[in-house]
Amino acid sequence: DGGITQSPKYLFRKEGQNVTLSCEQNLNHDAMYWYRQDPGQGLRLIYYSQIVNDFQKGDIAEGYSVSREKKESFPLTVTSAQKNPTAFYLCASSIKGQIYGYTFGSGTRLTVV
Amino acid sequence: DQQVKQNSPSLSVQEGRISILNCDYTNSMFDYFLWYKKYPAEGPTFLISISSIKDKNEDGRFTVFLNKSAKHLSLHIVPSQPGDSAVYFCAARERSNYKLTFGKGTLLTVNP
Repeated sequence: DGGITQSPKYLFRKEGQNVTLSCEQNLNHDAMYWYRQDPGQGLRLIYYSQIVNDFQKGDIAEGYSVSREKKESFPLTVTSAQKNPTAFYLCASSIKGQIYGYTFGSGTRLTVV
Repeated sequence: DQQVKQNSPSLSVQEGRISILNCDYTNSMFDYFLWYKKYPAEGPTFLISISSIKDKNEDGRFTVFLNKSAKHLSLHIVPSQPGDSAVYFCAARERSNYKLTFGKGTLLTVNP
């Protein structure tokens, strides 16, 4: 079955540590995206990539970094520079230009203590 | 600057009645509008979409209406069922770069 997988589902880290969230898709989608969900804030775009080895900042990229070395993978690193990293992180992918939007993963809940 | 606005954080309706979820937008470059449904601790799933050249799209119990002059769209669910209880996100796609911009969501509760 094709899909998009985020791992782990729950992640705990100490303040000041970098952490990398995994996102893998086998849908052969060109584009991949990272969103963050906070209560009352909806989904906010962190980074997106429309092609391998290329990515763009979204609306709230500060404190985050990404790479897109393979079409299937788009890992997100939450660095110690991110002031409020505790959130629910969602990865999505799409065929570029597809009108039906994105396929989302099931999310990773990151808690920084 | 919020380009997609869902001004009602929550909505409660009785089973069997109509649910109407509203969404407003400001960006004239949006060419497609979509509704996603999300359960807690899961990713959103696509529900229904509408092109900016249409004013209505229907899929079973779900109908989306677009009023382009008012920059307003709405999702109608008839009849509402308890399983429809979820957060509903309105999203809009930019013609130039295919990015989706999401509203803050509306929590729908359908009471049996």
